[in-house]
Amino acid sequence: EPEVTQTPSHQVTQMGQEVILRCVPISNHLYFYWYRQILGQKVEFLVSFYNNEISEKSEIFDDQFSVERPDGSNFTLKIRSTKLEDSAMYFCASRGAGAYGSNQPQHFGDGTRLSIL
Amino acid sequence: SQKIEQNSEALNIQEGKTATLTCNYTNYSPAYLQWYRQDPGRGPVFLLLIRENEKEKRKERLKVTFDTTLKQSLFHITASQPADSATYLCALGQDTDKLIFGTGTRLQVFP
Repeated sequence: EPEVTQTPSHQVTQMGQEVILRCVPISNHLYFYWYRQILGQKVEFLVSFYNNEISEKSEIFDDQFSVERPDGSNFTLKIRSTKLEDSAMYFCASRGAGAYGSNQPQHFGDGTRLSIL
Repeated sequence: SQKIEQNSEALNIQEGKTATLTCNYTNYSPAYLQWYRQDPGRGPVFLLLIRENEKEKRKERLKVTFDTTLKQSLFHITASQPADSATYLCALGQDTDKLIFGTGTRLQVFP
């Protein structure tokens, strides 16, 4: 069964450094997302992306964050200058074509655990 | 403010029984609702999606109901097995594409 893959599984970075998290969505999917989950807390939406544009972003997704689909397969999340509070599990998700609320669920990868020192 | 609550942090049941998990929401009118399973250190795995005009959905041993009047969804696992032990998340979607997640219910099925 097709799946969303994320690399690396664990990233350790010094505060203030840039980090890029990578995702390969399911191949025929058109909608892409990033979520994060701080340890012991709920999954939180960061950003949605469709047709090479951000569709929606949350308050968490400030100027330090950016997303890109550099080629036909990868989808990346960049944090320019990491902070201690960016430490979390970051999940990429994708879904197939269909209007909002259609029977096209979001499928998640297993995440990248980001640790900021 | 919008709130999504899932019942008690942990639910312990005996193998073979039916597990019932609840998801209540306030100040929100979701167009659809999804249930996910999450194992430790893993990403959420999609289980079922139900839309606002649907009352019930089934998939094998799983059943989900959606009551927009009560603002509640129930998720049932019949004939539960130890392998069903995990955290179960409900997630609501509206007219945009983002999912709003509840905090999850940890289910433990013991032999």
